[in-house]
Amino acid sequence: AQKVTQAQTEISVVEKEDVTLDCVYETRDTTYYLFWYKQPPSGELVFLIRRNSFDEQNEISGRYSWNFQKSTSSFNFTITASQVVDSAVYFCALSEASSGAGSYQLTFGKGTKLSVIP
Amino acid sequence: EAGVTQFPSHSVIEKGQTVTLRCDPISGHDNLYWYRRVMGKEIKFLLHFVKESKQDESGMPNNRFLAERTGGTYSTLKVQPAELEDSGVYFCASSQGRGPSYEQYFGPGTRLTVT
Repeated sequence: AQKVTQAQTEISVVEKEDVTLDCVYETRDTTYYLFWYKQPPSGELVFLIRRNSFDEQNEISGRYSWNFQKSTSSFNFTITASQVVDSAVYFCALSEASSGAGSYQLTFGKGTKLSVIP
Repeated sequence: EAGVTQFPSHSVIEKGQTVTLRCDPISGHDNLYWYRRVMGKEIKFLLHFVKESKQDESGMPNNRFLAERTGGTYSTLKVQPAELEDSGVYFCASSQGRGPSYEQYFGPGTRLTVT
C-alpha cells in the first residue's frame, strides 16, 4: 500500500531564509507520480508540481526547487529566500499509475505548516 | 474560467442530523473526486466519478455517506445521520482526464462540524 510521510508538522522561518520541506513515500509500484500542493489560508489546494517516477531530474521554478531521489524514496521541496506569502500548509502526495480500479487517487501526507515571519 | 466551487463553506450540525455538501467542478471536467481531511490527519480519498458513474468508492467510510452526480455535472455528498467523527474538511477536485498525468484541481473545501 502507498504511504506518504511528512515528518515536519510545523516550521517557522524568518523572511529571506531558505527552507526545505521533507517528503518520504512508500509504494510497491515501479510507475508512480509525486505531487506537491500548497494550501493558503483561503483553503483551496493549489497544484505546484508533478513528477513521475522515471524522471529523477531536479526541477527549479523561480524560488521553488524540488529534489527527487528514488534511492531514498524522497521528494523534498525547497523554498529559497522565503517570503511571507509562502506561509501556508504544504502537502506532498503520491499516485500510483497502476491503480487497479483506475481512480488514480492521490495519497497525501499530513502536511507541513510553514510560517514565514517578517 | 471558474475553478472548482463548493457549498457551503462551513456547516455546523448536531449529531444525528443530515447534511448535504455540493461540488461544482470545472466545466468540461468529467472526473470528479471527493476527499476528506479529519483534524490532524491526512487528506483521504473518498470516491471518484467519471461523468455520472462511480468509478471508485473504496474510500467511503460507511453507508451513512451517499454521493451522487446526476447528469455528470455537479455532485452532492450527503451524510445521514451525521456522527461526531464525520467532522472535518471535505474537498472536491476535478480533472479533465483520468490518470495522474492530469492535474486534479481542488476546491476550497467544506468545513463540517458535528456537535
